[in-house]
Amino acid sequence: DGGITQSPKYLFRKEGQNVTLSCEQNLNHDAMYWYRQDPGQGLRLIYYSQIVNDFQKGDIAEGYSVSREKKESFPLTVTSAQKNPTAFYLCASEDDRSPYEQYFGPGTRLTVT
Amino acid sequence: AQSVTQLGSHVSVSEGALVLLRCNYSSSVPPYLFWYVQYPNQGLQLLLKYTSAATLVKGINGFEAEFKKSETSFHLTKPSAHMRDAAEYFCAVSEDSGYALNFGKGTSLLVTP
Repeated sequence: DGGITQSPKYLFRKEGQNVTLSCEQNLNHDAMYWYRQDPGQGLRLIYYSQIVNDFQKGDIAEGYSVSREKKESFPLTVTSAQKNPTAFYLCASEDDRSPYEQYFGPGTRLTVT
Repeated sequence: AQSVTQLGSHVSVSEGALVLLRCNYSSSVPPYLFWYVQYPNQGLQLLLKYTSAATLVKGINGFEAEFKKSETSFHLTKPSAHMRDAAEYFCAVSEDSGYALNFGKGTSLLVTP
């Protein structure tokens, strides 16, 4: 059963700690994306990757880092430099045969106190 | 940069009534346009997409949208609302300078009995 998985569903951290959010896909998609969602803000792009070992900053990359060592995996690290990390984080992948059509994971809700 | 504006952050309809969610886009090139639905604490699910083929696009769950170039609009409609349609709806447009989507801020649809 193909799809995108994000774990964990809920994550709690203390301020000042780095935290890594997992995103795995078995859709064989080359492109993957990380978005941040805040109430009333829509989705804002953090990072995206078109191919393994390559990634690009999105609109709000400050305080975040990513890696793309495998096609299936695109983990996001929220660093202590991110001033307001509490949010809902969504990972997506894109079908190469359908430009811009993105498939989303179930999301991770991160709470930092 | 391409952008979308969703008119109305909250829309309320009675069960059985027409659903109309508005989306206007700005684009200097023919865009790809999408509507996504999000249920609480879940990821986004693709409802339908416009990719320069037919201007009237039919999607899942009885939704459809019409691309009107003269009005730069891509409004989402459904003839008869059902309680299960209550969710957040996002309009998105392709970014002409990259590979990402730009999302609107979302419209929360409330369906009352």
